[in-house]
Amino acid sequence: AQTVTQSQPEMSVQEAETVTLSCTYDTSESDYYLFWYKQPPSRQMILVIRQEAYKQQNATENRFSVNFQKAAKSFSLKISDSQLGDAAMYFCAYRGRVSYGGATNKLIFGTGTLLAVQP
Amino acid sequence: GAGVSQTPSNKVTEKGKYVELRCDPISGHTALYWYRQSLGQGPEFLIYFQGTGAADDSGLPNDRFFAVRPEGSVSTLKIQRTERGDSAVYLCASSLTSGSYNEQFFGPGTRLTVL
Repeated sequence: AQTVTQSQPEMSVQEAETVTLSCTYDTSESDYYLFWYKQPPSRQMILVIRQEAYKQQNATENRFSVNFQKAAKSFSLKISDSQLGDAAMYFCAYRGRVSYGGATNKLIFGTGTLLAVQP
Repeated sequence: GAGVSQTPSNKVTEKGKYVELRCDPISGHTALYWYRQSLGQGPEFLIYFQGTGAADDSGLPNDRFFAVRPEGSVSTLKIQRTERGDSAVYLCASSLTSGSYNEQFFGPGTRLTVL
């Protein structure tokens, strides 16, 4: 079974600084997707960034980028130029790559990292 | 367009009662997912629908939990004989198809409190 581990329950960063959130995972599959989701107090999960395991290039989305180390099964999120609006719970998630109608479409989440942004 | 909506936003019930939680997915999305998020935890998968049928219900914790999606759109998660341990936020998500590339869009969740 696949597992996702986030070992940092809480992190703090100064506004405009850079912070890195860690995530490790375990799987026997060779092809899969990894995600970072943001969950503000409103509870709505928002997709921040996605990485396809077969792509060697690290994904980037504006101020958000990942460091994907497939052999080490590590998937960290870097937030540059942190803003007050970045404060939220961040979840790392895994999803297997399936054919249409397959039964492994579920997302497997870590326990989350609560990010505080100090003004 | 409208996102995923869930009603009610909050539900307080007494132990032993029956509750129904509703999810209205994004129009045209054929895949629908239910997750449960306990306090301090990440969401855990409950059940996944492709159209009207439950393609994977392996996450339902026991037979007190049941979900339906009779017309392939709105889904209802039903919990019988609620227990205090059922207290959690229940999240619903939908995606255009069940293909693994498709993003799952989440609703705001229903916070269930069992007294």
